Amino acid sequence: DVVMTQTPVSLSVSLGGQVSISCRSSQSLVHNNGNTYLSWYLQKPGQSPQLLIYKVSNRFSGISDRFSGSGSGTDFTLKISRVEPDDLGVYYCGQGTQYPYTFGAGTKLELK
Amino acid sequence: EVQLVETGGGLVQPGKSLKLTCATSGFTFSNAWMDWVRQSPEKQLEWVAQIKDKSNNYATYYAESVKGRFTISRDDSKSSVYLQMNSLKEEDTAIYYCTSYNNYHFDYWGQGVMVTVSS
Repeated sequence: DVVMTQTPVSLSVSLGGQVSISCRSSQSLVHNNGNTYLSWYLQKPGQSPQLLIYKVSNRFSGISDRFSGSGSGTDFTLKISRVEPDDLGVYYCGQGTQYPYTFGAGTKLELK
Repeated sequence: EVQLVETGGGLVQPGKSLKLTCATSGFTFSNAWMDWVRQSPEKQLEWVAQIKDKSNNYATYYAESVKGRFTISRDDSKSSVYLQMNSLKEEDTAIYYCTSYNNYHFDYWGQGVMVTVSS
């Protein structure tokens, strides 16, 4: 199975600040078709996860351009700029390249 | 508006069975691949099962941890997907989310249903 490792485990940020979350996979996430299927999800307190970014850098419908994804192969990054109160929660990366699909353990974003 | 609503959770003894239902609306269910993802009490997300659409012969896939015990199915006429869980173990305790799977990512998630396996 592909192991997804996220760092840091938690992050404190001031409103308006910028943060980066790292996600590393134990194997390359490049699919046989040449695409890389790495996604980012946010779980706000008391809610189910929601899709933010798919295929490394594509924002899902309605997601602010303050969220950006980058990376390739086994190393990926989610950046959040101008952090707002509604951004707080736990961020998960996940891979859809191969079965079984797997997720990172999450990064908790809190207010400083 | 896309909606996925899970029902059927609850408290069950080890070794017993439970069936989860996910009723959907707001998208073309018959073309969708549907999955179940669970979240443990430690908040770890774990993919459980997937069922593809008719054009893919309703192919199913399972996590090793549930293979042989869980069965995913669907009823396109009711826009619903199901998870039959047999021989439940305490480690199956989790929130179970119904999700739609689109182009290698989980795009929509239900609100989740709690399953507790305990004697």
